Amino acid sequence: AQKVTQAQTEISVVEKEDVTLDCVYETRDTTYYLFWYKQPPSGELVFLIRRNSFDEQNEISGRYSWNFQKSTSSFNFTITASQVVDSAVYFCALTENSGGSNYKLTFGKGTLLTVNP
Amino acid sequence: KAGVTQTPRYLIKTRGQQVTLSCSPISGHRSVSWYQQTPGQGLQFLFEYFSETQRNKGNFPGRFSGRQFSNSRSEMNVSTLELGDSALYLCASSRGGPVETQYFGPGTRLLVL
Repeated sequence: AQKVTQAQTEISVVEKEDVTLDCVYETRDTTYYLFWYKQPPSGELVFLIRRNSFDEQNEISGRYSWNFQKSTSSFNFTITASQVVDSAVYFCALTENSGGSNYKLTFGKGTLLTVNP
Repeated sequence: KAGVTQTPRYLIKTRGQQVTLSCSPISGHRSVSWYQQTPGQGLQFLFEYFSETQRNKGNFPGRFSGRQFSNSRSEMNVSTLELGDSALYLCASSRGGPVETQYFGPGTRLLVL
């Protein structure tokens, strides 16, 4: 079965600190997709990034960066110079083949990030 | 482009009642998926609709059902509500390909008393 593990339940940092959120996954699919979503207190999940299994190039977007390591089945997310507005729950997700060409998303339990001023 | 919208945003029901939640996808998106989020179980996939047909289903009892209309809008129904159905119900839309990125709505927070 597919599995996504976010071992860090809660992280608290002070503004301007760098913080890395860990995500480890298990899958038997040879082709799969990984995602990160952010859920602020309002509740809506906001899409951050999508990465496919055959593209291990790391990505940087402003203060956000992602490190995909297929060899260790990890897809970690780093926020540089964190800000109070980054406070949210962050979810890592993995596509799971549920038969034929049907896929569904399996989510990790999420990491609550609190950035203190 | 307008995002995914869900109505109502908040709902209070009593055990045994039924409830219908509505979701309007992003314009041009043909797939709608529903998720239940609870503190204990996290985010769990309920079902997905594409072109008015259920294409994918999670492991929820038959009390949970849904449908999709020709304009891609979707409704989710829960019958005979139980206390454990209290949750945030999130709807997500995508263009419809097998692994398209899903974009989520603000959710409907359901409280069952």
